[in-house]
Amino acid sequence: AQSVTQLDSQVPVFEEAPVELRCNYSSSVSVYLFWYVQYPNQGLQLLLKYLSGSTLVKGINGFEAEFNKSQTSFHLRKPSVHISDTAEYFCAVSGRDNDMRFGAGTRLTVKP
Amino acid sequence: DGGITQSPKYLFRKEGQNVTLSCEQNLNHDAMYWYRQDPGQGLRLIYYSQIVNDFQKGDIAEGYSVSREKKESFPLTVTSAQKNPTAFYLCASSIGGTVSNEQFFGPGTRLTVL
Repeated sequence: AQSVTQLDSQVPVFEEAPVELRCNYSSSVSVYLFWYVQYPNQGLQLLLKYLSGSTLVKGINGFEAEFNKSQTSFHLRKPSVHISDTAEYFCAVSGRDNDMRFGAGTRLTVKP
Repeated sequence: DGGITQSPKYLFRKEGQNVTLSCEQNLNHDAMYWYRQDPGQGLRLIYYSQIVNDFQKGDIAEGYSVSREKKESFPLTVTSAQKNPTAFYLCASSIGGTVSNEQFFGPGTRLTVL
């Protein structure tokens, strides 16, 4: 079965600075990769997904992620963050087992 | 507007009582899921259903039960057998059983056992 590791539980960053949220996965089969965002006391919203094709995936709110098969990574990046980006971010992977596995989450805090 | 609704938003239960969380979707999705979220642990799958009248256990099904009598509804019952039920519960749905399909999430229900 596949699994996901989010390497940072918390990432503090100043407004307008760049940010990278790291995600590594393990799987013995081809996978599909997702990033979701969760604002306090709400459900999850899809930011972007990688299914196939170009390894650089662009999502909503200016986020992008790069699929790296050799390093089994799918890191999320944004060149300039805003206060409104403060939220929890989840990396997820799905594969042959037809279920989705989530990482433990990374809490992004953007400071003024 | 299409989407997923969960009710209630907040739920309080006395120890030893069963409680049912509602999940309804009008997206015409075949698959539905229940997750439990605890701080620092991400989302853990409780049950999922790929089609009406069929469902499978996830990683932490003990102490929970579900039914899928209608395509749009997937209620979750937290029974008294669940040792630590206080958590945030999320319902999700997807178009079908294909693994590449993204899941759409409801707003969640926060359950507190008193």
